[in-house]
Amino acid sequence: SQQGEEDPQALSIQEGENATMNCSYKTSINNLQWYRQNSGRGLVHLILIRSNEREKHSGRLRVTLDTSKKSSSLLITASRAADTASYFCATDAGAAGNKLTFGGGTRVLVKP
Amino acid sequence: DTGVSQNPRHKITKRGQNVTFRCDPISEHNRLYWYRQTLGQGPEFLTYFQNEAQLEKSRLLSDRFSAERPKGSFSTLEIQRTEQGDSAMYLCASSLGDRVGATQYFGPGTRLLVL
Repeated sequence: SQQGEEDPQALSIQEGENATMNCSYKTSINNLQWYRQNSGRGLVHLILIRSNEREKHSGRLRVTLDTSKKSSSLLITASRAADTASYFCATDAGAAGNKLTFGGGTRVLVKP
Repeated sequence: DTGVSQNPRHKITKRGQNVTFRCDPISEHNRLYWYRQTLGQGPEFLTYFQNEAQLEKSRLLSDRFSAERPKGSFSTLEIQRTEQGDSAMYLCASSLGDRVGATQYFGPGTRLLVL
């Protein structure tokens, strides 16, 4: 079963605009990760934020984590057409093996 | 390219046939994971290995599914007597696991279509 719910399910923006997507989860976590998936391909790891961190940046990506609300957000600034993809949050609840539980994803379309 | 490879990339089979997929992880990674992803959904955990030991299997992994990692390097996932509901993308990931958690690197996946 999927732990996370992502919002919105789909997002369409113009190149240069910012894209924000949210992820909510149900159980306590060790860390939360964001992945990108281009159509029909494998997942690319974007960023990992640990449960004791509140904000993290990587290039044009900004991730926040609010463990009290069990939610995270991913902001992509100055979007490009190449950012068109599906974005998934995945939680690591710290169980043996650190298996990931994924949300349903947000499909982002960046129009040139 | 993450360094994780999967073969074949696509497989079309008829219901009732057996299929086998292979995953080659990043060489120094001790953990290997299998996930399944259906259209429009996020991946779902199937099983994982620490070195050659299979340590956890999801309830999604019915008796028709078997996975091996014989020498702690590559892994195979076999589905016997395939059903149409097995049609999905099968993703493999590897990591250098530790207690705090580590990044999982995913392969390109094997897309299975059962007719």
